[in-house]
Amino acid sequence: NAGVTQTPKFQVLKTGQSMTLQCAQDMNHEYMSWYRQDPGMGLRLIHYSVGAGITDQGEVPNGYNVSRSTTEDFPLRLLSAAPSQTSVYFCASSYSFITYNSPLHFGNGTRLTVT
Amino acid sequence: TQLLEQSPQFLSIQEGENLTVYCNSSSVFSSLQWYRQEPGEGPVLLVTVVTGGEVKKLKRLTFQFGDARKDSSLHITAAQPGDTGLYLCAGRSSNTGKLIFGQGTTLQVKP
Repeated sequence: NAGVTQTPKFQVLKTGQSMTLQCAQDMNHEYMSWYRQDPGMGLRLIHYSVGAGITDQGEVPNGYNVSRSTTEDFPLRLLSAAPSQTSVYFCASSYSFITYNSPLHFGNGTRLTVT
Repeated sequence: TQLLEQSPQFLSIQEGENLTVYCNSSSVFSSLQWYRQEPGEGPVLLVTVVTGGEVKKLKRLTFQFGDARKDSSLHITAAQPGDTGLYLCAGRSSNTGKLIFGQGTTLQVKP
């Protein structure tokens, strides 16, 4: 009963490096999303997907790319890391985007530091 | 842009005390969720409120959705150290369907 699995748990990058944060869910959820969590700012939506092949931007999409080739996987790519991208990243999924009481299931996060 | 303001941002209390956390907006939400997050983990859903004026209870936690569906509160009775954590409210936008999170309230309950 894995739920939402994120890897890696910790990552340190140098400015300008690229990397991919992995997210997988085994609940057959149609909706998947990426958030970043910074102190005093809550969770801010980066990108989301309402199904395989469909992605859209959230509040803070700049510097990040996503794709959704399968229902299960939703990787987040940092194209050229910047210190402002130092944060904790959470992947979350839910059964449906439009069902009002569909809860978000979160992974345990990836703590990223960009030096 | 829809905003959710949570207050207070930090709360440190003694075991046995009562507390209330507030979540306010000028926008109407179709539903509102409360999550609790422990260090090193992702948030976990506590409750969803949908109807204006709705009250839901989860043991010592009482959640209320404002009549106009613009605000919500979380009241904890006789807090215990196990209640320590980050509490987040999240409103679902009536326009876009997206969840908008408040900044969070960090609660520390001392034994």
